[in-house]
Amino acid sequence: AQSVTQPDIHITVSEGASLELRCNYSYGATPYLFWYVQSPGQGLQLLLKYFSGDTLVQGIKGFEAEFKRSQSSFNLRKPSVHWSDAAEYFCAVGVPYNTDKLIFGTGTRLQVFP
Amino acid sequence: DAGITQSPRHKVTETGTPVTLRCHQTENHRYMYWYRQDPGHGLRLIHYSYGVKDTDKGEVSDGYSVSRSKTEDFLLTLESATSSQTSVYFCATRAGIAKNIQYFGAGTRLSVL
Repeated sequence: AQSVTQPDIHITVSEGASLELRCNYSYGATPYLFWYVQSPGQGLQLLLKYFSGDTLVQGIKGFEAEFKRSQSSFNLRKPSVHWSDAAEYFCAVGVPYNTDKLIFGTGTRLQVFP
Repeated sequence: DAGITQSPRHKVTETGTPVTLRCHQTENHRYMYWYRQDPGHGLRLIHYSYGVKDTDKGEVSDGYSVSRSKTEDFLLTLESATSSQTSVYFCATRAGIAKNIQYFGAGTRLSVL
């Protein structure tokens, strides 16, 4: 069965600093991979996804993520964080062609200081 | 965005009372899902539906039932609410086969006292 680990529960960065949120997965083949963001009191918004092909994927709000098969990782990055990026970020794994059962990580809460 | 509306957005109830949460979508998506979100657990799937009257259990289905009598509505029922069901509940939808993105509603915060 697939699983997802987000090792960092809480990260604090200064506005303008770079950001990397870690995500490691366990799955027998290449899964579908997702990053969602949840602002306070809101639902989840899809930031980006990886299904196949180019391992560096671009998303909304200036985010990108890189799929590394050898490390079973799908880390989320942003070169310069804005105060509005403060939110909770979830990595999720899905079975290819059957994403009924997405498995979510426990989330990383991002705090941004001015 | 799949035009998902969850109601109510907030609810406080007492242990032992029945509770029904509603998810309504306007995009004619085939698949609908109910998740619960708890600190330290992320989101966990409760039940899902792959069509009208077609539903299946998820990871944490005990104590919950669902119904889908119309494409646009997916109801989650707690027959007899318990304090362990205090949580934030999210509905999600997916357009169809080979459409692999789930879109989420804004959530319902349920407190069982």
